Amino acid sequence: ETGVTQTPRHLVMGMTNKKSLKCEQHLGHNAMYWYKQSAKKPLELMFVYNFKEQTENNSVPSRFSPECPNSSHLFLHLHTLQPEDSALYLCASSQVGVGGNIAGELFFGEGSRLTVL
Amino acid sequence: DQQVKQNSPSLSVQEGRISILNCDYTNSMFDYFLWYKKYPAEGPTFLISISSIKDKNEDGRFTVFLNKSAKHLSLHIVPSQPGDSAVYFCAASGQEGGSYIPTFGRGTSLIVHP
Repeated sequence: ETGVTQTPRHLVMGMTNKKSLKCEQHLGHNAMYWYKQSAKKPLELMFVYNFKEQTENNSVPSRFSPECPNSSHLFLHLHTLQPEDSALYLCASSQVGVGGNIAGELFFGEGSRLTVL
Repeated sequence: DQQVKQNSPSLSVQEGRISILNCDYTNSMFDYFLWYKKYPAEGPTFLISISSIKDKNEDGRFTVFLNKSAKHLSLHIVPSQPGDSAVYFCAASGQEGGSYIPTFGRGTSLIVHP
């Protein structure tokens, strides 16, 4: 496996379900991100982890709960979501600090398409 | 309030012609500007970037121009090819706590007709 992989690629859940999205990066990067892409909206930053520590939480509702057990894995735990949470959830990674990537260059996974019924 | 704006949701161009995608920003503290390309069912991939201290960066068929006084940048693709058909996201980043986290626009869908 290379790059950034996300599972599942598609997820349908009811509003009372609990599910998780998984992301794994094989690039040796030290930062990981969750973005949300809704139709006709910009990519919205949700969470950032640098060296496994959460450094950004962009006013994301508590029904989204991130987890970063190590620098290669990132989860997004979903609980009691709303239909308006239906979107494409994108995971990304980058190398920050000395020797890092071009500033702002992220490596994205293919995304998890979430539908909340 | 959107800090990075792509006001054209779509652009249609004939193969071989030039494609010009535009982007405006509001935050004068941005240091880097990037373009990402996204095909359906794939994640965005980095295409080209430019530092705020430059006004042009070229990579093959892709050139990005930056006009700081107008807070405007554009991506030129010449000649355009059908394989360039994708959604193009403009992004901008400034240093926050030692790292650069890009802010994205809504994207422009480019269609290149054979």
